[in-house]
Amino acid sequence: GAGVSQTPSNKVTEKGKYVELRCDPISGHTALYWYRQSLGQGPEFLIYFQGTGAADDSGLPNDRFFAVRPEGSVSTLKIQRTERGDSAVYLCASSLGLAGGELFFGEGSRLTVL
Amino acid sequence: EDQVTQSPEALRLQEGESSSLNCSYTVSGLRGLFWYRQDPGKGPEFLFTLYSAGEEKEKERLKATLTKKESFLHITAPKPEDSATYLCAVQAEAGSYQLTFGKGTKLSVIP
Repeated sequence: GAGVSQTPSNKVTEKGKYVELRCDPISGHTALYWYRQSLGQGPEFLIYFQGTGAADDSGLPNDRFFAVRPEGSVSTLKIQRTERGDSAVYLCASSLGLAGGELFFGEGSRLTVL
Repeated sequence: EDQVTQSPEALRLQEGESSSLNCSYTVSGLRGLFWYRQDPGKGPEFLFTLYSAGEEKEKERLKATLTKKESFLHITAPKPEDSATYLCAVQAEAGSYQLTFGKGTKLSVIP
C-alpha cells in the first residue's frame, strides 16, 4: 500500500502484559514518529527516528516504553508491564525529512488495557 | 514549555455558513505552525504549514493565517464533508522536530 501501515489495528490486553505495536512507513521516508492520542485530546509526542537512530525520545513517559527501528524502515513500539493508563490510540507517522511538518499518519493502533 | 490552545472545542455550522477556528500558541521561537484534519477512527491528515506572521495558505474552502500569537483557519461556505476535527500544532525553532498539538476543534456542518 501507499500509506503508513500500523498493526494491529486493535489490541486488548490485561494489565501487566507485554505489547508490541508495529509501524510500516511510506517507502523512502527517512523520518518516523510515534504519537499517542487519548479520547478528546490531541496527539502527544513520544519519539522520533531519523534513519535507524532515535533522534528524540523525550516523550516516552517512562522506562516501560521502548521503540526500535533496526533497519531504518519498520518500527516497533514496545510496552512492558502495561497499565490501564496506557490505553490510547498509538499513531505512527512518517515524512521524507524532518523539516516542513508534513507528516503522513497511519490509522493508529487502539490499545485497551483491562 | 510549548502550548497550543484551540477554540472553540466544538462548532456546529449550517451548510454555507462561514466561520473561523482559532489556535493560540506559545513557543520559544516558532519553526512552523501546522493544521491537520482528523476524521473519526483515522490518523490526522496534513493541511497546511505556516512559517511566519502574515503568511496565508489556501486549499479549496479553507484558508489558514498566522500572527505572532495565533493562527486562524477560515472555512468559507462549508459543506457537510468538511465535518471533522481540526488540529493545530507547533514546532519550536531550536532542537527537536516534535510537534505539540492542541486538543482540536470538532466541526459539524449540517445540511
